[in-house]
Amino acid sequence: EVQLVQSGGGLVQPGGSLRLSCAASGFTLSTYWMNWVRQAPGKGLEWVANMKEDGSEKYSVDSLKGRFTISRDNGKNSMYLQINNLRAEDTALYYCAMGSGWIFDLWGRGTLVTVSS
Amino acid sequence: DIVMTQFPDSLAVSLGERATINCKSSQSVLSSSNNKNFLAWFQQTPGQPPRLLIYWASTRESGVPDRFIGSGSGTDFTLTISSLQAEDVAVYYCQQYYSSPITFGQGTRMEI
Repeated sequence: EVQLVQSGGGLVQPGGSLRLSCAASGFTLSTYWMNWVRQAPGKGLEWVANMKEDGSEKYSVDSLKGRFTISRDNGKNSMYLQINNLRAEDTALYYCAMGSGWIFDLWGRGTLVTVSS
Repeated sequence: DIVMTQFPDSLAVSLGERATINCKSSQSVLSSSNNKNFLAWFQQTPGQPPRLLIYWASTRESGVPDRFIGSGSGTDFTLTISSLQAEDVAVYYCQQYYSSPITFGQGTRMEI
C-alpha cells in the first residue's frame, strides 16, 4: 500500500526540540517534492516547508526559519522536520504531504506535537 | 505572500442541493508559462488528513466523484458540489501552489 508513515511527535516542554519523521511505504520518495503542513487544534491548515527531490532547493515560512529545518534521506526513503526552541503556539498536528510538483495528493496521518510545561 | 480568502466561512445545504464555495487570491495564480492556475481544493473530514479533490483549478483527482467541480481563473475560483451527499459534510480548503509560501484559505465548513 502506498502511504506516508509518520512518527516523532509527543509532549515537550517550551524551549525543547523534536524531530519528526515521515517514511514512504510502497513507493520511492526520492522522485517527489516533500512538504510539511501543520494544523493547530481546531484551526486551519498552515504550510510549513518543502524540499526538492534531490534536496537542492527548500522553502519555508519566513516566520519559522531558524527554528524549523526540513531534511530528507532518500536512501532511507524518509524526510524529517527538526523543530527547535518549541513554543506553545507550535502545538499542532503535523502532516507530511507529497505529490507531483507542489500538488499534495498523498498525506500522512499526522503526528501530534504538544508544547506544554 | 499570496493571501487566500474563502467565503462563506460556513454553509448549510440540503441533501441533493447545490453547494458553492468561493476562493479569492490576493494576486493571480495563473501562470503565463503553461496557462494553468496553480489552485487546489481539499476536503477534510473529522480526524482525517486533507484529501485532494481538485488541482489546476479544475482537474478532478482520480477517484473523486464528478459532483465536485472546480472552476475559475486568475484570482477568483469556485468549488461546486452539484448534489450534496451526506458524506460531503467536511471542511473545504483552497490552496495556491503558485509561489512560496504555499498558502491555504481559512476553510469553509459544509453542513447539512
